Amino acid sequence: EAGVAQSPRYKIIEKRQSVAFWCNPISGHATLYWYQQILGQGPKLLIQFQNNGVVDDSQLPKDRFSAERLKGVDSTLKIQPAKLEDSAVYLCASSSQGVGAEAFFGQGTRLTVV
Amino acid sequence: DQQVKQNSPSLSVQEGRISILNCDYTNSMFDYFLWYKKYPAEGPTFLISISSIKDKNEDGRFTVFLNKSAKHLSLHIVPSQPGDSAVYFCAARGISGAGSYQLTFGKGTKLSVIP
Repeated sequence: EAGVAQSPRYKIIEKRQSVAFWCNPISGHATLYWYQQILGQGPKLLIQFQNNGVVDDSQLPKDRFSAERLKGVDSTLKIQPAKLEDSAVYLCASSSQGVGAEAFFGQGTRLTVV
Repeated sequence: DQQVKQNSPSLSVQEGRISILNCDYTNSMFDYFLWYKKYPAEGPTFLISISSIKDKNEDGRFTVFLNKSAKHLSLHIVPSQPGDSAVYFCAARGISGAGSYQLTFGKGTKLSVIP
C-alpha cells in the first residue's frame, strides 16, 4: 500500500514570497490533515478535510495560509506572503475513519524562510 | 495552553532495559490516546493507542498504561532496542471548537537506546 506522498521535501524562500505544498493521501482515505511542526514542538493541526469539504480550519492563519482539496483526493497548502516564523515542517496526514483511527503521515516538507 | 505535556525532552536507556515515556494531559474530555514514533527526516508513524475506557493496551514489546484519575499515560518498551531510538509523541483525541475530532500532540520525547 502506497503511503502519503508529499512534495517538495525541502524549500527555501525569502520572506514575503509565496510557496505551495502538495499532498497525495492514501487511496480511499476520506480525511486529510495538514499539520505544522515547528522545531522542538509537536505537530499542530492547521486544517482538516473530509472528502473535499473543510471540517476544521480554526487554527489556520487565513490571512496568509490557504488550502484546498479538489475532487476529494490531492490537496495543496499555500502560504502567501511567507514570514520568518513560518519556518517549520509541514506534514500531511490521512485517515480512513476520521480521527480516532490512526492517521498516516507523509515525510513532510521542510520550509525555511530567510 | 498546552493540553498534552511530555515533560521529559529526552531519555537514555541501555539496550535490553525498559524504556518508560510519560505523558500528562489536562482535558478530561479526551477519549482516545495515541503514541507516534518519529525518525529524523520522516513523518510520525503510529505505534499504539488506547481508549479512555481501558487502562492498558499491549502490542508486542510496547504497552501503554492509562491512569484517568491522574490524567497520565505512559508507554513502556521492553526490552529496548537500538532501533527504538527516535522521538516519541503522545497525542490525545478531543472535540475541536468546530465540532470535529482533533488530535492534540505533546512536544515529544527523544529516546536514545545505548547498545
